[in-house]
Amino acid sequence: DAGVIQSPRHEVTEMGQEVTLRCKPISGHDYLFWYRQTMMRGLELLIYFNNNVPIDDSGMPEDRFSAKMPNASFSTLKIQPSEPRDSAVYFCASSGTGSVETQYFGPGTRLLVL
Amino acid sequence: QKEVEQNSGPLSVPEGAIASLNCTYSDRGSQSFFWYRQYSGKSPELIMFIYSNGDKEDGRFTAQLNKASQYVSLLIRDSQPSDSATYLCASLGAGNNRKLIWGLGTSLAVNP
Repeated sequence: DAGVIQSPRHEVTEMGQEVTLRCKPISGHDYLFWYRQTMMRGLELLIYFNNNVPIDDSGMPEDRFSAKMPNASFSTLKIQPSEPRDSAVYFCASSGTGSVETQYFGPGTRLLVL
Repeated sequence: QKEVEQNSGPLSVPEGAIASLNCTYSDRGSQSFFWYRQYSGKSPELIMFIYSNGDKEDGRFTAQLNKASQYVSLLIRDSQPSDSATYLCASLGAGNNRKLIWGLGTSLAVNP
């Protein structure tokens, strides 16, 4: 069974550009999490969804960040406009109702904003 | 501010020794605790979770929880070079919120 899929794996962009990160959760999982990881701040939860509905977006840094989950198999995290301080690794993770404790992480997207 | 704290390390142990990783948390309402392993350049993967006081064993790994002291630990017996990674501790509060609070991780190096 395929794990969590993220694209792109690497993204280099210039300040001010729009960045869209994509995630496909494990089939049948009804929780989806977006994280950001940096050396200084560690792993931070940005937002999570349950059954495609945003439940907690308190970690979204500011209005430049937005996330959507139009259906059970797809989610996007958008940064517009991007800034150099957004450079980080962005992870998507999913979990299922039967085992909500176990979050399965995707491979991550390494974002560099110049 | 709910926090999870870990010693950043690096913790260095010889092959075959016991590695002891520690974590403290500030929220007394935390109910469940998780240990994830993250290899350099890779994504975190769950090793164990624990929610009852005491020990929980899984192969070479033992998680220990002391809620009175707000302390969680992970013991790795017979450490192998392949155990060299960063170990992340996370806590989950009570109720329906699935937001994990993460520590910054402890880097472990197992030397052959």
